[in-house]
Amino acid sequence: DAKTTQPTSMDCAEGRAANLPCNHSTISGNEYVYWYRQIHSQGPQYIIHGLKNNETNEMASLIITEDRKSSTLILPHATLRDTAVYYCIVRVLLNQGGKLIFGQGTELSVKP
Amino acid sequence: DAGVIQSPRHEVTEMGQEVTLRCKPISGHDYLFWYRQTMMRGLELLIYFNNNVPIDDSGMPEDRFSAKMPNASFSTLKIQPSEPRDSAVYFCASSLPSWQGDTEAFFGQGTRLTVV
Repeated sequence: DAKTTQPTSMDCAEGRAANLPCNHSTISGNEYVYWYRQIHSQGPQYIIHGLKNNETNEMASLIITEDRKSSTLILPHATLRDTAVYYCIVRVLLNQGGKLIFGQGTELSVKP
Repeated sequence: DAGVIQSPRHEVTEMGQEVTLRCKPISGHDYLFWYRQTMMRGLELLIYFNNNVPIDDSGMPEDRFSAKMPNASFSTLKIQPSEPRDSAVYFCASSLPSWQGDTEAFFGQGTRLTVV
């Protein structure tokens, strides 16, 4: 599975959009981009995933560049409850041998 | 569904004792994962199963650790003998197979293990 690079920490003002970047320059054609988050003391929570196209769900939007070497997770209106560690993971599907491996992630602090 | 259920939530044991952590995955999920989380090493994948069969145990730290999945609704992670460096939060997760499209993994609340 491809390696990802994320900033160690970021701040965001409450109510503003939080844009979390992820670099995955060695991504392969069959590898998906996944985002999870972990709120303190809880198990990680799935947010969104995508292959090539941009994706949106009730939690967030995922923007993947055309060359797929980087992506951005967007929380459109961050709240204090979005304070968490956000993990970007690149992997193939499980039935192709993909593993859910977590890096260090980005610690997002949403401030009032 | 109640989600992934882990027990116990907290465990304190003395060095040298056997520790067994338990996990009940979400019904219908074919994959089950065991993770360990510490401040120093972050979230580490220890082992995962597909249809009750261990697929990859390369993350299991040493022979003191063993995991089983006797059926689709139950898995155990055992540490024997336990050591203080095993103190961590252990998470279990489960997910549907990839062919069903959604490969979101659902995590339990974790077991906080302290070995004194």
